[in-house]
Amino acid sequence: ETGVTQSPTHLIKTRGQQVTLRCSSQSGHNTVSWYQQALGQGPQFIFQYYREEENGRGNFPPRFSGLQFPNYSSELNVNALELDDSALYLCASSLSGQGYEQYFGPGTRLTVT
Amino acid sequence: AQSVTQPDIHITVSEGASLELRCNYSYGATPYLFWYVQSPGQGLQLLLKYFSGDTLVQGIKGFEAEFKRSQSSFNLRKPSVHWSDAAEYFCAIDTGTASKLTFGTGTRLQVTL
Repeated sequence: ETGVTQSPTHLIKTRGQQVTLRCSSQSGHNTVSWYQQALGQGPQFIFQYYREEENGRGNFPPRFSGLQFPNYSSELNVNALELDDSALYLCASSLSGQGYEQYFGPGTRLTVT
Repeated sequence: AQSVTQPDIHITVSEGASLELRCNYSYGATPYLFWYVQSPGQGLQLLLKYFSGDTLVQGIKGFEAEFKRSQSSFNLRKPSVHWSDAAEYFCAIDTGTASKLTFGTGTRLQVTL
């Protein structure tokens, strides 16, 4: 059983650019959630995908968007990068339904300069 | 809106000493409750969770937590800390809207030898 993987590990972008982060969910999991963790903070929920549809969104602007593919892997896209977007982006996979354990990947460290 | 408070930003304990990390939540009902641990540069690992039933739950690595409804608390404890327990600890709640976790700001645990 493979765990949640994310790519790339680190990324440096310039303000105004666009970025795509990728996540492969754990085998058998059909739900993927994305979180942003700023330095010294707890993770903040960005959005969740279930069966390729967005299934809830946190307090993030529309320039944060995502996709989920038939194999349940997922992408997080951020347009018009701002300095405050610098953070660790965590992907978590789970089975659908409340309370199921979310399994987190190691994250992608994004630095915006 | 729900929230999670971890009042201790940083705690230092000696190896072998006992540990208690505090967590309080704000929500109109009893949420699902979780404790996660994050080592430097790593993703989040679930230590334990509370859904219902016995208010004292056992987790991995010798950790336990007690849910107290009257205090809206879910404090994490360990009888004897090991140097490898040094990490960031996050309390989180799931209020039932799928698996969208709300995290506290974390407590950084330092263990002295």
